[in-house]
Amino acid sequence: DARVTQTPRDKVTEMGQEVTMRCQPILGHNTVFWYRQTMMQGLELLAYFRNRAPLDDSGMPKDRFSAEMPDATLATLKIQPSEPRDSAVYFCASGLVLHRQGVYGYTFGSGTRLTVV
Amino acid sequence: AQTVTQSQPEMSVQEAETVTLSCTYDTSESDYYLFWYKQPPSRQMILVIRQEAYKQQNATENRFSVNFQKAAKSFSLKISDSQLGDAAMYFCAYGTSGSRLTFGEGTQLTVNP
Repeated sequence: DARVTQTPRDKVTEMGQEVTMRCQPILGHNTVFWYRQTMMQGLELLAYFRNRAPLDDSGMPKDRFSAEMPDATLATLKIQPSEPRDSAVYFCASGLVLHRQGVYGYTFGSGTRLTVV
Repeated sequence: AQTVTQSQPEMSVQEAETVTLSCTYDTSESDYYLFWYKQPPSRQMILVIRQEAYKQQNATENRFSVNFQKAAKSFSLKISDSQLGDAAMYFCAYGTSGSRLTFGEGTQLTVNP
């Protein structure tokens, strides 16, 4: 089965350090999402891309977070500097969205559990 | 803004029995998609079932089926012949073509042997 690959699976870092999370979407998928999951806020959208172009990053704190897709096989989410409140599970998801044909479902990666101490 | 509400934070069911998880949503769109995702303790988000709003027929996938009531904006998930492996957090989600998925708060399902 095709899968979305996220690395690292777990990351512990000290406050103030830079964190980079990586995602390899499923080949052929044209839409990539970054979600953050916490107990308090549930699943929140941080950013998403269509054909590598950012469509919406309004859920992302701009001063410290950045999301990019340098190519179709890689999406990155960076936090600089990291803070304890950034501790969460970060999910990447990809899907194929076709004009007038809709959405067939999004496949999620296993997530990166980030702990900032 | 679209919202998704799951009013049951926790549910439990006996193995081999049937359970229904509730979900309601609010939207002004006429064309949209609804999903149920399962998140077991491994934290992997797994797509369980998908429904297109323009289809009147309820979606089914083996032991999983939905009751989609478009006018009432209701989208419940029925799990038949529950198995221990069905124990997980279940999320209802809403999306339009090409837009973000909006998730509900989740329902924690326990399956008792």
